Amino acid sequence: SAVISQKPSRDICQRGTSLTIQCQVDSQVTMMFWYRQQPGQSLTLIATANQGSEATYESGFVIDKFPISRPNLTFSTLTVSNMSPEDSSIYLCSVPGQGTFNYNEQFFGPGTRLTVL
Amino acid sequence: GQQVMQIPQYQHVQEGEDFTTYCNSSTTLSNIQWYKQRPGGHPVFLIQLVKSGEVKKQKRLTFQFGEAKKNSSLHITATQTTDVGTYFCAGNAGKSTFGDGTTLTVKP
Repeated sequence: SAVISQKPSRDICQRGTSLTIQCQVDSQVTMMFWYRQQPGQSLTLIATANQGSEATYESGFVIDKFPISRPNLTFSTLTVSNMSPEDSSIYLCSVPGQGTFNYNEQFFGPGTRLTVL
Repeated sequence: GQQVMQIPQYQHVQEGEDFTTYCNSSTTLSNIQWYKQRPGGHPVFLIQLVKSGEVKKQKRLTFQFGEAKKNSSLHITATQTTDVGTYFCAGNAGKSTFGDGTTLTVKP
C-alpha cells in the first residue's frame, strides 16, 4: 500500500480566506482523489486529479471553489477558496491500490481537519 | 445517480456479541470495497469483493457479495473492543460511492 502524507493535519481559518492542502505519495500514481468528510458523515468525492490534465469535478463541486493542482505523479494540492463555516470538514486525499487504475481499493491520507470560524 | 445505502447507522454491542452491517446499491456494481475508520482516524481499506456471491474471510470478519451484485454484508463474530469504529462500504459502478457507514461501539 502507498504511504500518503497530508499537510496541514489541521487548521482553523477565518471566513473568506483560502487554505491549500498538500498531499504527498511515496510512489508514482496516475490518479489521486480528493474527498470531503463532514463531521459524522460519509465520504463525498470532490474531484479526481490526473497528472497532466484538468481535474474532474463531481456534481456540486466547482473549480473556482476547489482548485486542484497535480504537478507530478506523487503530489497534489487542493485549495478551499473563500471559506465559510459550511466548509468545516475533514479533507482527505486517496490513491488507488497498486495495480489498480480507478475506483477500486483506495488508500487514504491521514486527512486535514479544517475548522472555519 | 448511483446510491449506496448502509444499515444500521449505529450498532452498540456487548463484547463477544456478533455484529453485521448491510450495504445496498441502487445499481449493479462492478465491485465493492469495505473500509474501517477508527475514531479520529482515516478510512483503512479492508477488502474488495468482485464476483457474484463471493464470500471472503479475514479472521473474525466475513464479507459477502450478493448474487445480483447489488448488496453486500460485513459480519464480525465475537466482537472485541478493538473492533470499534465506523465501517463503510463503497460500491463501484463506474465510480465509487460510499455508504453512510455503520458506527460500532463495543461495551467491555
